[in-house]
Amino acid sequence: EVQLVESGGGLAQPGGSVRLSCAASGITVRNNYMNWVRQAPGKGLEWVSVIYVDGRTYYADSVKGRFTLSRDNSKNTLHLQMNSLMPEDTAVYYCARSVDTDTTRWFDSWGQGILLTVSS
Amino acid sequence: SYEVTQPLSVSVALGQTARITCGGNNIGSKNVHWYQQKPGQAPVLVIYRDSDRPSGIPERFSGSNSGNTATLTISRAQAGDEADYFCQLWGSSPVFGGGTKLTVL
Repeated sequence: EVQLVESGGGLAQPGGSVRLSCAASGITVRNNYMNWVRQAPGKGLEWVSVIYVDGRTYYADSVKGRFTLSRDNSKNTLHLQMNSLMPEDTAVYYCARSVDTDTTRWFDSWGQGILLTVSS
Repeated sequence: SYEVTQPLSVSVALGQTARITCGGNNIGSKNVHWYQQKPGQAPVLVIYRDSDRPSGIPERFSGSNSGNTATLTISRAQAGDEADYFCQLWGSSPVFGGGTKLTVL
């Protein structure tokens, strides 16, 4: 059974930094496409970032240049380094495994989510 | 970027059939996926690639996609089906619909 457990959220200051982590079990992070998807309070889902099996990373325009996605293969963990935080980054952040084909991607396993609040 | 439209809310009588739509320009040419999200919980994949059902998802959940509309159909709706439902597809990156709140009366 796939289990994804997020950690590292809480309250952060505008302009500050936070690192979210996603510890995986039941799958090997380095052999999967791993994503972060966020959901602002009362709003819909927004894809944030992905790391491919080959290590390439991609980001939504809203976070490009501020967020960095990486993985620690020895700990089977994903990390999202978030810098220059803005109030609009306030959201529940979900770690999600995706299945990718040539033409599409879907998210078949999700963590329980972690809340990040950016406020002074 | 590609935009999709979902109705804000859909209501269905207990035991009847609910249909939740996801509209977009020529969406029938794309693969659409559907997620169910109950309050305070993570999304759950209920349909992928238009009409495929993950293991563990009841056969009451089905999907179709043609023209400018993809549809999630929930047959014999139950109280436990009350949730937000999101469609998702691939534009130049993953795109989600705004979500539809399903109420079972």
